[in-house]
Amino acid sequence: DSGVTQTPKHLITATGQRVTLRCSPRSGDLSVYWYQQSLDQGLQFLIQYYNGEERAKGNILERFSAQQFPDLHSELNLSSLELGDSALYFCASSVGGGASYGYTFGSGTRLTVV
Amino acid sequence: AQKITQTQPGMFVQEKEAVTLDCTYDTSDQSYGLFWYKQPSSGEMIFLIYQGSYDEQNATEGRYSLNFQKARKSANLVISASQLGDSAMYFCAMRVQGAQKLVFGQGTRLTINP
Repeated sequence: DSGVTQTPKHLITATGQRVTLRCSPRSGDLSVYWYQQSLDQGLQFLIQYYNGEERAKGNILERFSAQQFPDLHSELNLSSLELGDSALYFCASSVGGGASYGYTFGSGTRLTVV
Repeated sequence: AQKITQTQPGMFVQEKEAVTLDCTYDTSDQSYGLFWYKQPSSGEMIFLIYQGSYDEQNATEGRYSLNFQKARKSANLVISASQLGDSAMYFCAMRVQGAQKLVFGQGTRLTINP
């Protein structure tokens, strides 16, 4: 157990629907990162939150949004889902933002859009 | 911009042999960290080893070592005495000082044959 908790583990939904992925960071970590892993795009950085505030944005679609709550858990909302959104979505957390800080990953949420 | 290149899409190795997974990186920053992650078929991302750009010694963690050649901008992962459980995808990643995200390579799929 890495200490980063992601729910649900698997999600199957239809095109056009909206889903929410949840992440609880490792105890003591203030930063939460969301990544999307698809077969053709590899691991793509979506967005980062630090202590409740958005810190960095990557290749996140406008249909996607995220937030980090006061208890530091984070949610990634995906709306108007398309077949191409099927992917493994990772949440990761870290203590800080320095170069020596890697991430601790959750086990991921596998999203299948049908 | 930072970039990680892993040129070996797949590798096949006999059990108990040593294996080297290649990683080259590109950055103009002087302070950065290099990471290797393992992703087994179950999907989770497991941190293996870290090397800082100012570290003079190559990092080691059990059977894992990082062959860091700064002038060549390479950070190869060496796994000694490979085991069947080492079969997985391996990702090289980099984080520069002040950046909020890890940049990942495309990965190498390692298969250990009995």
